[in-house]
Amino acid sequence: AQSVTQPDIHITVSEGASLELRCNYSYGATPYLFWYVQSPGQGLQLLLKYFSGDTLVQGIKGFEAEFKRSQSSFNLRKPSVHWSDAAEYFCAVGARYGNKLVFGAGTILRVKS
Amino acid sequence: GAVVSQHPSRVICKSGTSVKIECRSLDFQATTMFWYRQFPKQSLMLMATSNEGSKATYEQGVEKDKFLINHASLTLSTLTVTSAHPEDSSFYICSARVPSGGAVISHEQFFGPGTRLTVL
Repeated sequence: AQSVTQPDIHITVSEGASLELRCNYSYGATPYLFWYVQSPGQGLQLLLKYFSGDTLVQGIKGFEAEFKRSQSSFNLRKPSVHWSDAAEYFCAVGARYGNKLVFGAGTILRVKS
Repeated sequence: GAVVSQHPSRVICKSGTSVKIECRSLDFQATTMFWYRQFPKQSLMLMATSNEGSKATYEQGVEKDKFLINHASLTLSTLTVTSAHPEDSSFYICSARVPSGGAVISHEQFFGPGTRLTVL
């Protein structure tokens, strides 16, 4: 069965600083990987996804993520954080022949000015 | 991108009553929709998978008689919380999967804005 670990519950960064949110997954085959963002009281918005091909994927709002099979990781990065990026971020994994997404526990990002 | 709506956005009800939440795909047809539950400061937990024209598939531990799911059309799935109790208070989120061609299932899901249920 798939599982996702987001080791950081909270992260605080200064506006303009770089950001990396960690995500490790457990799955026996090639996973489908996603990053979603959720603002308070809202649904989830897809930032980016990895299905196959180039392991560095670009997403919306200036985010990117890199799939590293050897480390079972799919970390999310942004070179310069804006105050509007403050939200909760979820990493998710799906199986190629499965039907469901499994979500990590989420990382709350705080941006200080 | 694909848009999914939920109605209502928030609902307050008395204990023992039933509440229906609607999930609609606005600009695409969704043969599969998903219902999640999210407790405060926690992740999304999949409750059930809703398939158009057939019975929903419930996750282990989810009471199918309490959380009734109906997916009567390609654009609408409903979740009815029957005989609601305070412990059912939560944030309920639906998602719809965009159909993909070929043998590989597309896992891209588009999420609704969620429904905040408070049971008094």
